Amino acid sequence: NAGVMQNPRHLVRRRGQEARLRCSPMKGHSHVYWYRQLPEEGLKFMVYLQKENIIDESGMPKERFSAEFPKEGPSILRIQQVVRGDSAAYFCASSGYNQPQHFGDGTRLSIL
Amino acid sequence: GQQLNQSPQSMFIQEGEDVSMNCTSSSIFNTWLWYKQEPGEGPVLLIALYKAGELTSNGRLTAQFGITRKDSFLNISASIPSDVGIYFCAGQSDGAGSYQLTFGKGTKLSVIP
Repeated sequence: NAGVMQNPRHLVRRRGQEARLRCSPMKGHSHVYWYRQLPEEGLKFMVYLQKENIIDESGMPKERFSAEFPKEGPSILRIQQVVRGDSAAYFCASSGYNQPQHFGDGTRLSIL
Repeated sequence: GQQLNQSPQSMFIQEGEDVSMNCTSSSIFNTWLWYKQEPGEGPVLLIALYKAGELTSNGRLTAQFGITRKDSFLNISASIPSDVGIYFCAGQSDGAGSYQLTFGKGTKLSVIP
């Protein structure tokens, strides 16, 4: 499967723990995007990254959330000290330059 | 912020019928995309539109980029059971070098065999 790979598919955390979500873009894609989806809603943009750079983080909460896309390895979305309201599906998308975004199958985050 | 109004919210149709759904925006987009999402999966790209007035087909699917740049339409002809899912429109502004997508809330399509 040469598509966008996300893991884990499901993640359960207790309040106060940290959640790390991983995304490997499609081969040849250097642009990565993270979106969040609540039930019965559309996807909401969080952050846009290129290798080693955050280009646009206007949709990401200022506190507890961070994202990176290192030179080597997958992109990581990190949520510190999770709260119940962080429960959602988190989707990663990737694209080439000026190309449509293709999505992974998401990580369903549940907070106990 | 930008908002997309997608309608209808849900549709129940008979197999073989044609389907139409649309998306309107309060602001201009440079690109319109249509995605389909099935339970437990991510959105799958159906059609991408890049020019105002553009009409593009993908099999039984046809989408149009509105002349005003503030709307887009998706039609599905001769629906089949596997068309079931949630269809999302998404707009892209390309402002300030960012390529974030703004999504509608989706149209949930149910096909009765």
